[in-house]
This record gives sequence, C-alpha cells and structure tokens, in this order.
Amino acid sequence: AQSVTQPDIHITVSEGASLELRCNYSYGATPYLFWYVQSPGQGLQLLLKYFSGDTLVQGIKGFEAEFKRSQSSFNLRKPSVHWSDAAEYFCAVGAEGSQGNLIFGKGTKLSVKP
Amino acid sequence: ETGVTQSPTHLIKTRGQQVTLRCSSQSGHNTVSWYQQALGQGPQFIFQYYREEENGRGNFPPRFSGLQFPNYSSELNVNALELDDSALYLCASSFSRLASGSADTQYFGPGTRLTVL
Repeated sequence: AQSVTQPDIHITVSEGASLELRCNYSYGATPYLFWYVQSPGQGLQLLLKYFSGDTLVQGIKGFEAEFKRSQSSFNLRKPSVHWSDAAEYFCAVGAEGSQGNLIFGKGTKLSVKP
Repeated sequence: ETGVTQSPTHLIKTRGQQVTLRCSSQSGHNTVSWYQQALGQGPQFIFQYYREEENGRGNFPPRFSGLQFPNYSSELNVNALELDDSALYLCASSFSRLASGSADTQYFGPGTRLTVL
C-alpha cells in the first residue's frame, strides 16, 4: 500500500540549532516527493520538491531535502532554525499519472525554543 | 500572479444539510484538486478536476461531488453532512499536460474550515 510515514509527531529545537525532519515513503512507482509547511489555521505552502536528477534539493526559507532511494526516505533539513519556522510540516508523495493524488504523512509539529 | 483563493473561510452547518465550497485556481493552472484535512491529520485526497471533468477520486462517498468551470475555478459539494465531515477543506491548483493527470506541483489555498453540528 502507498503510504508516507513521518515518525516524529512533535519536535522541539532551540533557535539557531539544526533541524532534521524525517519522512519515509512506500510507493510502487517512481515517486515525486514534496515538503509543505502549514502555519496554524492556514493552507499549505510548498517548501521544496523532488521529481528527478540531483537528489539534494534546495527549497525556500533555507530548507533542503535529500532523496535516498535505497532508504525510501526524503528527510528535510535546515542548518539554523528561526523562531518563525515553528509550524507543522508535511511530507507528500505522488507520481506521474497518479491523477493528482498526493499522499500525505500525518505531519510533524515543530516548536522553537528561544 | 494571483494565488489560489477559497471561500468561505469558515462555515457552520448542521447534520443533514448540504454545503458548497468554492475555489479559484492560480493564474495559468488548469487542474484543481480537493483535499480534506481532519484535525491533527494530513490532507486526504478527495478528487481532481481536469478540463471540467473528474479525473481521479480518493476514498470518499458519492455525496462528495464537484464541478470545474471553463475558467478553471471549482466547487466542492457535500450532501447529507455528517459530524465527521468537520474538517479543513483544501483546494490545490496545478498545470497538467496529460489527460491522465499528474502530480505536478500543487499550490494550495488557505482552506475552508467546515464545522458540522
């Protein structure tokens, strides 16, 4: 079955510390992978995406993610977290011909300590 | 460039009623997807519309239906509302080149918060 797992429900980091959010997927076809961020009561904002090519992708707000096919993972990283990064982060997977069906993980809530 | 917009922002209905949610897609996009996000969960795919036709559907009953208009805006209709329909409903637009649809990058609107009492 196709699925996305985000093992960490809630993560707290200190401002200025590095961050890694984990994402594992199970998908039969070659996956397209996405990270979205959601602030409370808001819609989803695209941080970055991977379709093909270089497995290390850069996104907005200083985020990056690395696609590791052998581990079925697409972890999100940021070297130095800012208080404004506090939000919920969702990993999603889709594929060409999937008729628009993105499968999302349950999200990881990020809290930032001053 | 105008982003994805949704209306209304919030809505309160009672069980058994019907509701219509609206979405205007981003300029240049021809495909609209709808998602339901229950509290504390990730979004779940309801269906996608491409060139005014339903192009793919998730595991939702027929009382969830939709429309897409020639200007690519879209409506989500839910009949016979149930308490479990309370959720944030998200619309996403994208540009698809293929009739089979795609997971081309989807851009989300702010959502409509539906509460069913």
